[in-house]
Amino acid sequence: DVKVTQSSRYLVKRTGEKVFLECVQDMDHENMFWYRQDPGLGLRLIYFSYDVKMKEKGDIPEGYSVSREKKERFSLILESASTNQTSMYLCASSLPTGYAYEQYFGPGTRLTVT
Amino acid sequence: AQKVTQAQTEISVVEKEDVTLDCVYETRDTTYYLFWYKQPPSGELVFLIRRNSFDEQNEISGRYSWNFQKSTSSFNFTITASQVVDSAVYFCALLKTSYDKVIFGPGTSLSVIP
Repeated sequence: DVKVTQSSRYLVKRTGEKVFLECVQDMDHENMFWYRQDPGLGLRLIYFSYDVKMKEKGDIPEGYSVSREKKERFSLILESASTNQTSMYLCASSLPTGYAYEQYFGPGTRLTVT
Repeated sequence: AQKVTQAQTEISVVEKEDVTLDCVYETRDTTYYLFWYKQPPSGELVFLIRRNSFDEQNEISGRYSWNFQKSTSSFNFTITASQVVDSAVYFCALLKTSYDKVIFGPGTSLSVIP
């Protein structure tokens, strides 16, 4: 059974803290994605990676960075958390897009920055 | 520009009613893929269907059916005889084959009342 796991379901951090969100997939997928989900805005792509050590900016990369040192793990980093980064963060993985495969999602991390 | 519109923000139906969720997309590409995902209260998005731009056949899977019409750029989703377990947020999404990003609509929140 395919699986994408995220390190925390709920997280509360203070403004200015450095925050790490971890995502691990066990499907040997090349592509991995980080989205944030906000009411009325749907899912917005923050960053994605199509291979180890490769990354591409999505639509809203400001204030975020990512790391992909191993194929199965994709980390999202908030260098200095701010209240406007309070959101639900979703990680996903997929086979290469040329095959137009669906994305598999983790359960999400609800981050609150106070 | 690519865009996905789901005009219905929230829908409530009584159990056993039929319900249609609308999805309208914009793209200039001739080759693309459309998806529907379901997000139950647990938070994890679940893939429902993929349709490529060259296949306009409608699809039925149990109580679920999808109507793809290129002429109106729509990919609507109908649930027949709705059940309480269908309560979720449903996302329509567009994938352009020439790059790796999936564009999600804002989602439609469906509540099925017993």
